[in-house]
Order: sequence, then structure tokens, then C-alpha cells
Amino acid sequence: AQSVAQPEDQVNVAEGNPLTVKCTYSVSGNPYLFWYVQYPNRGLQFLLKYITGDNLVKGSYGFEAEFNKSQTSFHLKKPSALVSDSALYFCAVRDTNDMRFGAGTRLTVKP
Amino acid sequence: EAGVAQSPRYKIIEKRQSVAFWCNPISGHATLYWYQQILGQGPKLLIQFQNNGVVDDSQLPKDRFSAERLKGVDSTLKIQPAKLEDSAVYLCASSLNPGLGQETQYFGPGTRLLVL
Repeated sequence: AQSVAQPEDQVNVAEGNPLTVKCTYSVSGNPYLFWYVQYPNRGLQFLLKYITGDNLVKGSYGFEAEFNKSQTSFHLKKPSALVSDSALYFCAVRDTNDMRFGAGTRLTVKP
Repeated sequence: EAGVAQSPRYKIIEKRQSVAFWCNPISGHATLYWYQQILGQGPKLLIQFQNNGVVDDSQLPKDRFSAERLKGVDSTLKIQPAKLEDSAVYLCASSLNPGLGQETQYFGPGTRLLVL
């Protein structure tokens, strides 16, 4: 069965600095990988996904993620963080019918 | 386009009572999912429907949880009887059709359940 790990519970960055939220995965076949963001009292919002093709995936709100097959990673990145990016971020992997989410990483961007 | 609708948004019940949640997916989305998100954890898939058929319910506690999507559109998730550990946010999501590579799931706002 597939699994996904987000090794950091919390990431703190200063506004304007680059940010990285880490994700590693384990799956038997070809992975379908996703990033979602959750704001307080809101449902999960889709940011981006990797299905196939270019390893660098661009998504909503200036976020991007790089698929690295050898390291089984799919880290979320943004060149310049905004205070409004502060939220809970979830990485997810899909294999056949099952979608597995990581435990989430809370990103705090300070002015 | 309207998003995934869920109701109620909040529910407080006592243990051993019953509760039901409703979800209306995005129009045209064949696949519907119910997730349970316990505080501090990522969402856990409970059940997946493709139209009105169940695709995966391997993580659904079937002794107390049930779900249906009779007409292949909206869906209800029921807990009977509820336990304290059922306190969580129940998320509904929908997608066009995973089998065609349209994998993105769109989530509703969730129903926050507190069992006392």
C-alpha cells in the first residue's frame, strides 16, 4: 500500500524568503502526487499535481513542486513567501483507488 | 461553477446517538469520496463511489458507519451509534473520473462533528 510522509510538522519562514515544504512517498507503481492547502475552517484546496511528464509542476498561487523519482520526493516550493500563504499543507499520493494524505505541515510566514 | 456542498457544517451529539451528513458533489462529477480528518492528522479515505457504486470502502468501520449514493449524485454518510473517537471533520470530495486521468479531487468545507 502507498504511504506519504511529511517530515516537518511546522515550517517558519520570513515574508519574501523562499519556502520549501517537504514530502516523501512510497508507492508500488507510478505515483499520482498532489498538494493541497487548508485554511482555518475551510476545506482542502487543490494546489497542484504530478501525473506524468515534466518533473517540475507549477500550480496555484505561485507554488511549484518537483517530482524526484530517485529520492521519492515531491517537495512544495515557492520563490517568495507571503504572509497569506500561512496555512496547513497536505501532500497526498494516489495508487489505484486509494488516496493517502500526509499528516500535514503548518506553514507560518512572518512579516 | 458551484463547489462541493456539505451540511450541516457543525454537529454536536452524545455518544451512542446517530448522525447523518449530506454531500452534493460538483455537477457532472462521477466520483465521490468521504474522508475523516481527526484533529492533527491528514484526511483518511472512508469510502469512494463511482456513480452509485462503491469502489473502495476498505477503511470504513462498517459496524457503525454507512454511506449511500442512491441516484449517483448526492450522498449521505451515517454513523450509528457514535463513539467519542468519531469526533472529527468529515470531508466530502468529488472528481470527474480518476480512470481518465482527471484525478483532481475537489473538497467541500466539511462537517465538524463533536461527540460528547
